[in-house]
Amino acid sequence: RKEVEQDPGPFNVPEGATVAFNCTYSNSASQSFFWYRQDCRKEPKLLMSVYSSGNEDGRFTAQLNRASQYISLLIRDSKLSDSATYLCVVKRGDQFYFGTGTSLTVIP
Amino acid sequence: DTAVSQTPKYLVTQMGNDKSIKCEQNLGHDTMYWYKQDSKKFLKIMFSYNNKELIINETVPNRFSPKSPDKAHLNLHINSLELGDSAVYFCASSPTTRPGELFFGEGSRLTVL
Repeated sequence: RKEVEQDPGPFNVPEGATVAFNCTYSNSASQSFFWYRQDCRKEPKLLMSVYSSGNEDGRFTAQLNRASQYISLLIRDSKLSDSATYLCVVKRGDQFYFGTGTSLTVIP
Repeated sequence: DTAVSQTPKYLVTQMGNDKSIKCEQNLGHDTMYWYKQDSKKFLKIMFSYNNKELIINETVPNRFSPKSPDKAHLNLHINSLELGDSAVYFCASSPTTRPGELFFGEGSRLTVL
């Protein structure tokens, strides 16, 4: 069973739409949780950490449900520049485990 | 200034050859990683070093050998290259003060013919 599972998409949404991505993780001992963003043919970059209380950064809101082992990312008012692959990441000990990513294309 | 730099960015070579990829970070981080991203975009950890000590060594063929001469450098040497080694190899580093954040290099795209 994979450590981190994500719906690969693709998600094609119009500008201004709200879109949500989900992810589940298999090991309850996972300690830290993140969303990374990877543009086409570029390296992944940290988008935001995810806390149990939920956290927001501008148009982006992340949620963590430890009981269900479920992580989400909500993007409001989508911009063309949000088009990318969004990677769900969990950390346990020194190891980071990546999901395969969810592809988002925002259409004008 | 590039924080995590890898060379070469592109590498095309024949099966059976030996090649190296170099990585340097100027962020003062203690922990460095090598990841492999295959054609399905799955990022898989290969190795991790903390202050020159190997701390993660995933199930990787022993044709792959990492070397960390100091905490700012982590190189990857690959012997007897195979077609399945074709991938993008990312180097990353992580600060002790913010252990949740990975800073990636731009990647080295290896194609084995």
